[in-house]
Order: sequence, then structure tokens, then C-alpha cells
Amino acid sequence: DAGITQSPRHKVTETGTPVTLRCHQTENHRYMYWYRQDPGHGLRLIHYSYGVKDTDKGEVSDGYSVSRSKTEDFLLTLESATSSQTSVYFCAISESPGYNYGYTFGSGTRLTVV
Amino acid sequence: DQQVKQNSPSLSVQEGRISILNCDYTNSMFDYFLWYKKYPAEGPTFLISISSIKDKNEDGRFTVFLNKSAKHLSLHIVPSQPGDSAVYFCAASLTSGTYKYIFGTGTRLKVLA
Repeated sequence: DAGITQSPRHKVTETGTPVTLRCHQTENHRYMYWYRQDPGHGLRLIHYSYGVKDTDKGEVSDGYSVSRSKTEDFLLTLESATSSQTSVYFCAISESPGYNYGYTFGSGTRLTVV
Repeated sequence: DQQVKQNSPSLSVQEGRISILNCDYTNSMFDYFLWYKKYPAEGPTFLISISSIKDKNEDGRFTVFLNKSAKHLSLHIVPSQPGDSAVYFCAASLTSGTYKYIFGTGTRLKVLA
């Protein structure tokens, strides 16, 4: 989607290696989120950020860490990738937590851990 | 514990007919609900929303109904078009904190020409 870019789009990595996924936005939105999508589970929140250097855990945060040193970038790191982290990862941004705002999602990163 | 449930993983509807997608939730504190549509290899896109102070919201061919007593919402698409074929997610948010959205598992809609 315009204004939000995820990189890489696809990645294959080996078990035990570190992996970093990047989300970049040009909308200057305060809120950024990382979700994973898995069959039978829908979209589950991993971590989110409500400002530079302000982050918090979501419902499936184990094995993941995040960093946000600039408004426009939100990084998701798998410290030591496992096969259970094979998934499609989506970044989302939001201007405000107010009622009239949903998320704008990126196009996703498909990660395969072999 | 799935707080937002979409019990029908798939649905097929003839073109021109009504599509009804259902969503149930367990937390009575949810006060804002959204529907997203997702095409393959793309991110979800926002479709329509409803606040808990309303029971209906309409936008063109899309209408969302909310039944708070039953903790149930539904998305109606009339008339259904082949381009509506996608996965639909409902999502709910709480009033407090950072308004994180909890998503359902999705329903794959196929509109048959």
C-alpha cells in the first residue's frame, strides 16, 4: 500500500539464524504494529509501537523483539529463527487510536524457516 | 482463547446474490468493530466499521450489523460481485490502551459468476 513498505517481501532462512524484517512508512503515523498471519489463526499481534522508542508486546511476542529509533521505521527481529515462525508477517500503521481509524497494512513479508 | 471468532472458514455465493459473513466475540468490553478484505499476496484493506453505539452502518453495497446482546456482528454484501472474492477478517478493539485490534480467523468468500 502507498506510504508503507515492507522488506524483504520473501525470505528463506535457516533455523537458529537471526532475521530482521523492516517496515517503513512515509505517512508520519505515530502507531505501528507487527502482525503474523497463519492458517486457522487469522492475524495475531506480535508487537506494537506508540512512538519512537515506545514499544509493547502483543499476544504472540515470544521469540520476537522490535525497535523503533525513527518515526518511519519499525523493525521486527527474530533473534534465533524457529520453524514455528514460518509465517506471513504484516506491518500496519495508524494515525490515531481513535475510533474512526483502522489500520493501513503493508503487503507482507513471507518468511520461511527451514 | 479466541476472543473474536469467524466460525465459517469459507462461503460460496452466486453473483448478484447476498453474501453474509458472520463474526462472534466474547469480550463485552469491545466497543469498535471493523471488517477488512484481503486478496492473495496483498495486505488487508479496511472495508467498513461500526461503533458499539450503533447497530448498523452502511457503505454502498456493504452493510455491517451489530447485535451487542448476542455479541455478534455480520457483514452483508449486496449484490455480490466476482471481485468481492477474498478473505474477510473482522476485528474488534477495546476502549482502553492503544486500541489494539483483535482479529478473527477470516472467512474466504468466493463469488461465482
